[in-house]
This record gives sequence, C-alpha cells and structure tokens, in this order.
Amino acid sequence: EDQVTQSPEALRLQEGESSSLNCSYTVSGLRGLFWYRQDPGKGPEFLFTLYSAGEEKEKERLKATLTKKESFLHITAPKPEDSATYLCAVPMNYGGSQGNLIFGKGTKLSVKP
Amino acid sequence: DAGVIQSPRHEVTEMGQEVTLRCKPISGHDYLFWYRQTMMRGLELLIYFNNNVPIDDSGMPEDRFSAKMPNASFSTLKIQPSEPRDSAVYFCASAGTGDNEQYFGPGTRLTVT
Repeated sequence: EDQVTQSPEALRLQEGESSSLNCSYTVSGLRGLFWYRQDPGKGPEFLFTLYSAGEEKEKERLKATLTKKESFLHITAPKPEDSATYLCAVPMNYGGSQGNLIFGKGTKLSVKP
Repeated sequence: DAGVIQSPRHEVTEMGQEVTLRCKPISGHDYLFWYRQTMMRGLELLIYFNNNVPIDDSGMPEDRFSAKMPNASFSTLKIQPSEPRDSAVYFCASAGTGDNEQYFGPGTRLTVT
C-alpha cells in the first residue's frame, strides 16, 4: 500500500537553530514528491516539487532534497515566521498535480525568538 | 485572481441535517479536488474532477457524501444526513493541466453536533 510518513510530528526550534524534516514514502514508481506549508486556519500552500533522486530545490531558508526512499526539508537559520505545519505528498497514480495526492500527516514546526 | 473560493467558511449543524459545501476554482483550471482534513487521518482526497467529470471518487467515505460539478466554475460537496464523525475541515483545490501544484482554498470548518 502506498504510504507517506513524516517525522517528527512536532519540532520546536530556537530562532537560528537549523534542522531537517523527514518524509519517507513507499510508492510503486515515484511520479514526484510535493512539499506544502500550512498555516493555522488556512489551506496548504505549495513550496516545492521534486521528481528524481538527487534533485534539490531551494526557497529562502528552505531546501528540499530527494532520495529514492525519502525527502528532507532542511531549514537553515529559521525565523519565527517559518512556524507552520509542513506537509509532503506523493501522487498515487498520475504524475504532477493532476491526480490523487497522498499526504503525510505533517510536521508542526515552532520557531521561538 | 482571487484564488480558490470556498463557502461557507464555518458550518455548525445538527446530526441528521443536510450540509452543502461550495467551491469556485481558479478560472481556467480544469482539475478540481475535494479533501478532508482531521487530526487523526490528516489530509485525505475525497474526489476529483477533470473538465467537470468525476475521475476518482474512491475516497468518498459513504453514500451519504456526494459531489457535483455542474460547470467549470462551481462545485458542491453534499453530506446527507450529516453525522458527528463528519466534523472536519473540508478543502477544495484546483489545478491546470501541466501545473506543478494544486491551489488550495481556505477550507470550510464543519462541526456536526
């Protein structure tokens, strides 16, 4: 069965303290891995898509990497405004975003000043 | 563009009542998705449409749930009769062919008492 598992469930960091979030997946034939950010009371907001092992994408203090079995979201020198829940997802059948995305339960990140 | 629009933002109803959630996708998008988010199960796809046609409704939990997309700019998710276990946040998302992401609405928080 296709699955997406994220760890840790929650992460508390001090401002400036770098860390990584993990997303492991078991799907037959990866057709992309998506990272989203979700703020309280809002819908998920797209961050990155990775398609092949070794690929990396960066946006401000965030960098996403992909291996054959997992993805990491590295947060460098985080700020309080990076506090949010980070979700990863993989398509179950079709590629890209035009299909059934399976989401992990997310990592809730809190960054204290 | 105003983004994906959902209404109502909050709905409180009694068990047994009919509930209708509404969604207006981003203009020009030909994919529309309905998700449900709970603490226990995370974000789950209920059903999605392509060009107003339902493609995959395997995530719809029971016959009490139904979804329609009468035209490219409007979709509804109906629950009849509602039950307390239906309490969740329901998200609508849309995407265009070739898009790298799904764009989520702000969600409808449903409480069934």
